[in-house]
Amino acid sequence: NAGVTQTPKFQVLKTGQSMTLQCAQDMNHEYMSWYRQDPGMGLRLIHYSVGAGITDQGEVPNGYNVSRSTTEDFPLRLLSAAPSQTSVYFCASRPTSGSNTQYFGPGTRLTVL
Amino acid sequence: AQSVTQLGSHVSVSEGALVLLRCNYSSSVPPYLFWYVQYPNQGLQLLLKYTSAATLVKGINGFEAEFKKSETSFHLTKPSAHMSDAAEYFCAVSDRTGGYQKVTFGTGTKLQVIP
Repeated sequence: NAGVTQTPKFQVLKTGQSMTLQCAQDMNHEYMSWYRQDPGMGLRLIHYSVGAGITDQGEVPNGYNVSRSTTEDFPLRLLSAAPSQTSVYFCASRPTSGSNTQYFGPGTRLTVL
Repeated sequence: AQSVTQLGSHVSVSEGALVLLRCNYSSSVPPYLFWYVQYPNQGLQLLLKYTSAATLVKGINGFEAEFKKSETSFHLTKPSAHMSDAAEYFCAVSDRTGGYQKVTFGTGTKLQVIP
């Protein structure tokens, strides 16, 4: 089991550029989430999905887009990058039953100049 | 809405000393509670979780946490700190019922272990 994988590990963008952060899991988890981590702010939920074809907004969704066409993949799109989106991004997945334990990917460190 | 407060963004302890990281939660119903650990440049991994089976929860690497409903606390402890414990620790809470149960994270506590 690879668990949750994320690509790329590092990315530098210029303001206004767009890009997609990839996330995949091989545990057949229905629930997947994207978080951003900023110093002193913990992890904040950007978007989440409860299954293929179903997504919803978290607490900081502006400037980001998601889709879920398969159970395995949950890409995060930055539509027009801004310096405020400089952050570390984590993808997580978890099963529908149980105690909400999440499994995290290794993260993508994004810098927007 | 549920929330989590972690007291102290940075904690320093000497190697061999007691580790105590504080977490208080706010939830209208008994929640699930978690501690996650993040080593430098890595993702988060589960340290331990409270699901109601027992109030004293033991986790990996010698850590444990006690759920105290009267104090709405879930503090993390370890009797003797090791250098390898240096990391950032996050407390988290989620509801048990409803549809998608969001997990809310605290702001994190960085643990420094001094040799």
